[in-house]
Formats: sequence, C-alpha cells, structure tokens
Amino acid sequence: QVQLVQSGAEVKKPGASVKVSCKASGYTFTGYYMHWVRQAPGQGLEWMGRINPNSGATNYAQNFQGRVTMTRDTSISTAYMELSRLRSDDAAVYYCAREGDRRMPAGYYYYMDVWGKGTSVTVSS
Amino acid sequence: DIQMTQSPSSLSASVGDRVTITCRASQSISSYLNWYQQKPGKAPKLLIYAASSLQSGVPSRFSGSGSGTDFTLTISSLQPEDFATYYCQQSYSTLPFTFGPGTKVDIK
Repeated sequence: QVQLVQSGAEVKKPGASVKVSCKASGYTFTGYYMHWVRQAPGQGLEWMGRINPNSGATNYAQNFQGRVTMTRDTSISTAYMELSRLRSDDAAVYYCAREGDRRMPAGYYYYMDVWGKGTSVTVSS
Repeated sequence: DIQMTQSPSSLSASVGDRVTITCRASQSISSYLNWYQQKPGKAPKLLIYAASSLQSGVPSRFSGSGSGTDFTLTISSLQPEDFATYYCQQSYSTLPFTFGPGTKVDIK
C-alpha cells in the first residue's frame, strides 16, 4: 500500500541542525511532489515547502528561506528535510505529505493525500 | 500570500448533530479548497478536495461546498469518531499551500 515512513524523534540543541527523512513506498516516488508541514505543540499546520523528487527542484515558504533544505535520493525513494540554526520555537512535529492531483473539467486540483506519521523534534539546551 | 480563516475556532456538539464549519479565503480561490481532519497525535487526513469532492474512503456524511472565497464543511450526523480538528487549505496559489487555523470539534 501507499505509505510514507518517517525517521524517529530527534532532540537537538539550539543552533544545531536536524535532518528528517521520509521513505515512500507503494507508488512511483518521482511521480509526485513531496511537501513538508510542521505543527508546533497545540498549534495549527504550517506549510514549509515542497520538492519535486524527479528534478530536485524546491519551493520554500518565506518563513524558512535560508534555513531549510529539502533533498531526495531517488535510489531509495526517500525525501529529506533539513532545518538549520534551530531555535526553541522550531520544536514541533514535522510531517511529509505526498501531493496528489486530480484532473477535473475545470482543471487540475492538488491536495495532500498521503501523510507520514510525523517526526517529533525537540529543541532544548 | 492568500490568507485562510475558519469559524468557529471550536464548537461543542452531540452525536447525531449536524455540524457546519466555515472557511474563508482572502481572495478568490475558485474551487481550490481542501479539507483535512486531524485527531490528537495523528497526521492529518484528507477528507474533501476541490471544495466538494469526497476523497475515496471518506464517509458520505462529510460534504463540502462553496467557491470563490467562502466554503463550508458539513458533517450531516456527527459520529463519535468525528471529534477532531478540521483544517481547510487552499491550493489555488501553489506557494504557499496555506492552511486555515483549524476548528476543533468536541463533545458537548
């Protein structure tokens, strides 16, 4: 079945970097964009960016420009999200999510149809 | 960036109630609106895409409507497993895929 398996929880010190992985299975990895979304404790969902696993092209949210790097390894169908210069307010659950699409009479529609279970990142000195 | 708002931010309802959640975009997004359900400690789950299309496997008691700037998610008869937080998200402007702040549905 289609699934995204994320790496385990991380504990990092302020100023450090964290790299989260997301392994895809059950579908053609290079055929779908991969998004990253985070959720701070008790807060809503925040879109961080996306990567085209086929080309490696990325789009990042303005809030994370300069601190986030999204990459992929097509040989093992895995996407990565690295966040640098961690701060206490980066403590959150980080999700990867596949971008699905559907062609309808009015055009193509996009959504996040498959999600990983999330990776908890704690930032503490 | 397109901003998304939701109302109410929370609501209390009973099993069997009809529940309606509203989402508003800061500019017209046609029908490029998705709804997700999230339960505590779990990843979000896609319910509705393109404003009114039910994702495969989602119960028919969920429905979506609207276009332009105003959208609604309706649960026709609330079930115990529907107590969760619901988020809208626009995909009209790809960057960023903005989410609404969420609506928490809990038990009255």
